Amino acid sequence: QKEVEQNSGPLSVPEGAIASLNCTYSDRGSQSFFWYRQYSGKSPELIMFIYSNGDKEDGRFTAQLNKASQYVSLLIRDSQPSDSATYLCAVNRPGTYKYIFGTGTRLKVLA
Amino acid sequence: DVKVTQSSRYLVKRTGEKVFLECVQDMDHENMFWYRQDPGLGLRLIYFSYDVKMKEKGDIPEGYSVSREKKERFSLILESASTNQTSMYLCASSLPDRGSNYGYTFGSGTRLTVV
Repeated sequence: QKEVEQNSGPLSVPEGAIASLNCTYSDRGSQSFFWYRQYSGKSPELIMFIYSNGDKEDGRFTAQLNKASQYVSLLIRDSQPSDSATYLCAVNRPGTYKYIFGTGTRLKVLA
Repeated sequence: DVKVTQSSRYLVKRTGEKVFLECVQDMDHENMFWYRQDPGLGLRLIYFSYDVKMKEKGDIPEGYSVSREKKERFSLILESASTNQTSMYLCASSLPDRGSNYGYTFGSGTRLTVV
């Protein structure tokens, strides 16, 4: 089992819709969870982090964490073509400085 | 604007060459990391450093070494480049994780091709 798993996609949504991206992780001790956005040919940029169970909202983005089920998700409301990118989930490896990345979900927002 | 700067955007090297990839950050971050990113494999940690002259192996350290002589600079060294080291190399920095971590800041990446 991979430490961090994401569906590779592509996930296609129409402009204005809600995009839902999911990530599962294997280590129950993980405490820190991050979402990065990576445009083609560019480096990842941090868009959200979450530590506690529940929802965290920042503008059009909402991160959701469920530690009991070991998943973290990212919702993008009112999706725009400029949101088209690969979204990477990252999870800390407990007791270390290391963060493990999923392979990313490619999102395509159709105009 | 805070930055992580990687010295080269594109590099082409020959098999067997010694290759240096440089990374400099201006955020006074303690932690620095080197990842490589390959299609279908995602980001894989090569080495990281949590302080000057301190380093630890990541998940795929074979064929690589690192140097951190100053807090702001973290270098990745390919001792004898091979074609399977053709990849995108990403440097990142962060504050220490003291229960309130704000994630990584990445450099723009170096696309290395070994021929």
